[in-house]
Amino acid sequence: DTGVSQDPRHKITKRGQNVTFRCDPISEHNRLYWYRQTLGQGPEFLTYFQNEAQLEKSRLLSDRFSAERPKGSFSTLEIQRTEQGDSAMYLCASSLAAAGDGYTFGSGTRLTVV
Amino acid sequence: ILNVEQSPQSLHVQEGDSTNFTCSFPSSNFYALHWYRWETAKSPEALFVMTLNGDEKKKGRISATLNTKEGYSYLYIKGSQPEDSATYLCAFEPNFNKFYFGSGTKLNVKP
Repeated sequence: DTGVSQDPRHKITKRGQNVTFRCDPISEHNRLYWYRQTLGQGPEFLTYFQNEAQLEKSRLLSDRFSAERPKGSFSTLEIQRTEQGDSAMYLCASSLAAAGDGYTFGSGTRLTVV
Repeated sequence: ILNVEQSPQSLHVQEGDSTNFTCSFPSSNFYALHWYRWETAKSPEALFVMTLNGDEKKKGRISATLNTKEGYSYLYIKGSQPEDSATYLCAFEPNFNKFYFGSGTKLNVKP
């Protein structure tokens, strides 16, 4: 297992388009998280899954955002009708519930909306 | 939303200098405090997980301390090297597995 993978690394899209990002966590990790980082800020929590269940969503996650983890393995984050304010680094992390060791992060997807 | 603050925002030091950064977090309801190192174009890398008041952890030239009663943690780097240049993030975990990040301290070590 090579860690947490995110795809794509970079995405440039026109305002109004839909985009989808993928995260492949460490295979034995049952928790998966999505965070967003904008310039000058720390990562902000968006949502997390335990297995395939989405257990929490931040108020930051508007109706244009949806995340899935259909089989409890990889996850997708979709943004519909992108806006310039959606430009950010989208980080995925995974962990093993009850391990207490914290997250393993992917290297992120940088989204630029033009 | 919990407030986690890191200072300074950025730091420029010469190779060989020792340096330290601060992470402040709410002193109520504590589970763990995490330090991460994040180099450009890479994944954030876990440095330390600290859970007990008075904890001190060390990894090579980097060490960290924790004071949960007053709500702060310090990260120290002894004899900084250019390869230490990165953003250092702290993450406060009040309940198991939900993190609140600071905005990071960006360290630049000049050779």
